[in-house]
Amino acid sequence: DIQMTQSPSSLSASVGDRVTITCRASQSIAGYLNWYQQKPGKAPNILIYAASSLESGVPSRFSGSGSGTDFTLTISSLQPEDSATYYCQQSYNVPRTFGQGTKVEIK
Amino acid sequence: QVQLVQSGAEVKKPGASVKVSCKASGYTFSDYDIHWVRQAPGQGLEWMGWIYPVSGGTNFAQKFQGRVTMTRDTSITTAYMELSRLTSDDTAVYYCAREGLAFDSWGQGTLVSVSS
Repeated sequence: DIQMTQSPSSLSASVGDRVTITCRASQSIAGYLNWYQQKPGKAPNILIYAASSLESGVPSRFSGSGSGTDFTLTISSLQPEDSATYYCQQSYNVPRTFGQGTKVEIK
Repeated sequence: QVQLVQSGAEVKKPGASVKVSCKASGYTFSDYDIHWVRQAPGQGLEWMGWIYPVSGGTNFAQKFQGRVTMTRDTSITTAYMELSRLTSDDTAVYYCAREGLAFDSWGQGTLVSVSS
């Protein structure tokens, strides 16, 4: 199974800050990496697919980059509504696997 | 619009089975695989397996092999996930999700509580 490791596990930042979350795969997954946002009590919501493609309707302050084993989710200017937990997930093979999540809090 | 609507919350005794449904609408059901993901209280997301609606073929995480069944009824565009021999560790919210290039649409989740 491909292990997905996110860092940090949590962070606290101010409105307007640039926030970066990293995700590392235990083996190369090419560009088969997706990012989700989950708010308490809600289902996850897709933000970025195929490492860097922005899902329709997602604000442009979200961006993704990377390939192979190392990936990044960036929020260019943190907004209050971005308080959530973020998960990376590989769709390279089965079993599909998720990172452990990064909880983003607003200072 | 694409919608996945799941069945309601369940309370089960240890050793029992639970069957969760996922009704799809707003797209051609046979065009997308349906995956099941669960989330224990305060924990992360755990992939359980998927079903290919065209053939009914399935693929499960090794952890759930022998204990999970995934089926579908194409006539009513509904997928099902049944988990047997429940223990308290199976207490979680269970989600179905459609996979296009990613899990691009999710059900609202079904809470399954296992308690004696």
